Amino acid sequence: DSGVTQTPKHLITATGQRVTLRCSPRSGDLSVYWYQQSLDQGLQFLIQYYNGEERAKGNILERFSAQQFPDLHSELNLSSLELGDSALYFCASSVVGAGNTIYFGEGSWLTVV
Amino acid sequence: DQQVKQNSPSLSVQEGRISILNCDYTNSMFDYFLWYKKYPAEGPTFLISISSIKDKNEDGRFTVFLNKSAKHLSLHIVPSQPGDSAVYFCAASDRGSTLGRLYFGRGTQLTVWP
Repeated sequence: DSGVTQTPKHLITATGQRVTLRCSPRSGDLSVYWYQQSLDQGLQFLIQYYNGEERAKGNILERFSAQQFPDLHSELNLSSLELGDSALYFCASSVVGAGNTIYFGEGSWLTVV
Repeated sequence: DQQVKQNSPSLSVQEGRISILNCDYTNSMFDYFLWYKKYPAEGPTFLISISSIKDKNEDGRFTVFLNKSAKHLSLHIVPSQPGDSAVYFCAASDRGSTLGRLYFGRGTQLTVWP
């Protein structure tokens, strides 16, 4: 158990819909990262937050957005869903300055039908 | 732009033998490297890391080697066990820049057969 909690674990939704994925980082971790893993794709970095502020952006679509709240949990919002958005979405967290090792949650499996 | 590359999508090794997983990177600013292991339907699990000031780090059956001049690192697993069968991701970061963002390779599927 990495200490990073993600909900829901599985989600099936229709095209055009909107979903929210939730992440609670490890206790004490200030940085939260979101990654996407599709079939035959590696871990694609989406976005990073540090203590409530956006710090780095990767290959995140405009239909996707994220935020980190004062209690440090984070949400990833995916809207106008398309079939190609079906993927595993991982949240990870880290204590910045601790060698940059990040710890992953178990992921949220999103299926768009 | 894939800054971390794992050119072998799969590797098959007999139990008890050595597994060598390779990784190349292009960004000379990377100074911290990690390996993660991932089982199906689970999140990646941190395995071992190495700082650019070292060329070797060992943890039990796992050893990571870093060749900075070649921008290459490798993970050695000795002896390999069936439970090691998983996808292994190489990752790298520039600790001076983006507060911990890791760049991942596409992964290598290791299969250890009895």
